[in-house]
Amino acid sequence: DSGVTQTPKHLITATGQRVTLRCSPRSGDLSVYWYQQSLDQGLQFLIQYYNGEERAKGNILERFSAQQFPDLHSELNLSSLELGDSALYFCASSPRQGEGADTQYFGPGTRLTVL
Amino acid sequence: EDKVVQSPLSLVVHEGDTVTLNCSYEVTNFRSLLWYKQEKKAPTFLFMLTSSGIEKKSGRLSSILDKKELFSILNITATQTGDSAVYLCAVPSFHNAGNMLTFGGGTRLMVKP
Repeated sequence: DSGVTQTPKHLITATGQRVTLRCSPRSGDLSVYWYQQSLDQGLQFLIQYYNGEERAKGNILERFSAQQFPDLHSELNLSSLELGDSALYFCASSPRQGEGADTQYFGPGTRLTVL
Repeated sequence: EDKVVQSPLSLVVHEGDTVTLNCSYEVTNFRSLLWYKQEKKAPTFLFMLTSSGIEKKSGRLSSILDKKELFSILNITATQTGDSAVYLCAVPSFHNAGNMLTFGGGTRLMVKP
């Protein structure tokens, strides 16, 4: 158990819908990262927040957005869902920015299925 | 763009065998290389390597980095069925004002009894 929690574990929804995935980082960690893992793409970085501020953005679609709240939990919002958005979504956390933040600890993931 | 390539793609061995997994990388400003084990869901952190030639060990698992040739290997000795998993290699990099990990495609290891 990494100490990172994610809810829900599974989500099944229809195309065109909107969902929210939630993540709580390890106690004391300020950085939260979101990754998408699909069969054909492997683990892909989406976005990073540090202490409430967006710090890095990867290949995140415009239909996706995220935020980090004052209590440091983070939410990933996915809207206008398409079949291709079906994937495992992981949240990871690390203690601080810079070289010491290299080790990221992953949550159990949310499996999203879009029908 | 940073790149991480792992080989082999998959491996089937029997309990007691020794395996070597490979990871090669191209990264603009190298800081470290990380190995993760992914069983059913979450990638679990194994090692972080920063210096060439220094072996990191944890039980039957060990890993070493070669910064000159830009690769790392993960060795598992006396394999057990519980070692069956996907092993992922990743390199961190600065991105925009933050950090990200670039992952390789993974090596799927199956250990048969």
